[in-house]
Amino acid sequence: KQEVTQIPAALSVPEGENLVLNCSFTDSAIYNLQWFRQDPGKGLTSLLLIQSSQREQTSGRLNASLDKSSGRSTLYIAASQPGDSATYLCAVNFYKLSFGAGTTVTVRA
Amino acid sequence: GAGVSQTPSNKVTEKGKYVELRCDPISGHTALYWYRQSLGQGPEFLIYFQGTGAADDSGLPNDRFFAVRPEGSVSTLKIQRTERGDSAVYLCASSKTSGNLGEQYFGPGTRLTVT
Repeated sequence: KQEVTQIPAALSVPEGENLVLNCSFTDSAIYNLQWFRQDPGKGLTSLLLIQSSQREQTSGRLNASLDKSSGRSTLYIAASQPGDSATYLCAVNFYKLSFGAGTTVTVRA
Repeated sequence: GAGVSQTPSNKVTEKGKYVELRCDPISGHTALYWYRQSLGQGPEFLIYFQGTGAADDSGLPNDRFFAVRPEGSVSTLKIQRTERGDSAVYLCASSKTSGNLGEQYFGPGTRLTVT
């Protein structure tokens, strides 16, 4: 059974600092990995999807890397802003998604 | 275009009652997924449809839970004899296809509270 772990569980940083969120998974047989953002009481917004054959994916201030052989992904958010405050979830896809518990980020103005 | 929609957004029911939760996927998406998210946890897989058929229902917790997708579009998750432990946010997602091309898009969820 796929196990997905996210560390840290919570993170608080001052505005402008770069964020580094970690995700690890136990089974490397995956199609792709998705990073999501979830605001309190809301659904999931897809941020980035990395195919299993890719090493990284970028969108604006967001960059995600994938090392499938070691079972790790990292989400980098550059120059954080208060609007980045949310819970970030990673999920590995083998036709169905297996999620981590998330990292709750607070960016202080 | 329109995203995944779910109704109702909130449902409060008494223990032992029957509930139905509805999901409207993105038009043209053949794959549809149901997940359940408890407080402080990531979503957990319940069931996956490819077209009209349930391709994998291994995540349904017991036989009180059932889901249908009769015409390959809208899906309904049905819970019989609800229990307090069923309280959670039920999320629906759809994708254009399954497997390695299938980026999943999520709806806003239905918050179910069983009293």
